[in-house]
Amino acid sequence: SQELEQSPQSLIVQEGKNLTINCTSSKTLYGLYWYKQKYGEGLIFLMMLQKGGEEKSHEKITAKLDEKKQQSSLHITASQPSHAGIYLCGADTNDYKLSFGAGTTVTVRA
Amino acid sequence: DSGVTQTPKHLITATGQRVTLRCSPRSGDLSVYWYQQSLDQGLQFLIQYYNGEERAKGNILERFSAQQFPDLHSELNLSSLELGDSALYFCASSEPLTGGWYGYTFGSGTRLTVV
Repeated sequence: SQELEQSPQSLIVQEGKNLTINCTSSKTLYGLYWYKQKYGEGLIFLMMLQKGGEEKSHEKITAKLDEKKQQSSLHITASQPSHAGIYLCGADTNDYKLSFGAGTTVTVRA
Repeated sequence: DSGVTQTPKHLITATGQRVTLRCSPRSGDLSVYWYQQSLDQGLQFLIQYYNGEERAKGNILERFSAQQFPDLHSELNLSSLELGDSALYFCASSEPLTGGWYGYTFGSGTRLTVV
């Protein structure tokens, strides 16, 4: 089965600073999903990356997929309190379901 | 509102009891997925149904069962509950996208507390 490892497990960032989260797969990554979760709440879809080298941005969040490294990164520019939460990467397995990493907890300090 | 509806939002029950969690997928989505999220295990896939048929099974305990009805809503039944079953249970539905990809939408979850 596909295993996704996220790093760091948690991070604290000063408001206005940038941050990067990585998601590394044990198998070839053909596509990757990023979700955000507020503690105890549902998952909110952020982005889906379908091709190696693909890069997508939405507001201050940018995600990239490096197929060769079997890795995706999520970068937040000029973090705000609204960026706080748990970020989860997920990958489609061959049997039509999403497998997830353990998540990265982001805390933004004012 | 994501379009995936889960009820109830919270559930507190005693060990040994049985509960049913309900999920209505987004309109038009044929697939329903159930996930369990606990602090030590993360988000774990339990089971998937597609148009009423079981399609994929994950780490679902024998005490747990699910079904999808003709109107496409799904129920997850948890029986002989143990303290360790306390978790957030999520339902998701998916729609096919171009290129063979799927878009997954999650509900807001049911928080189960077993006391």
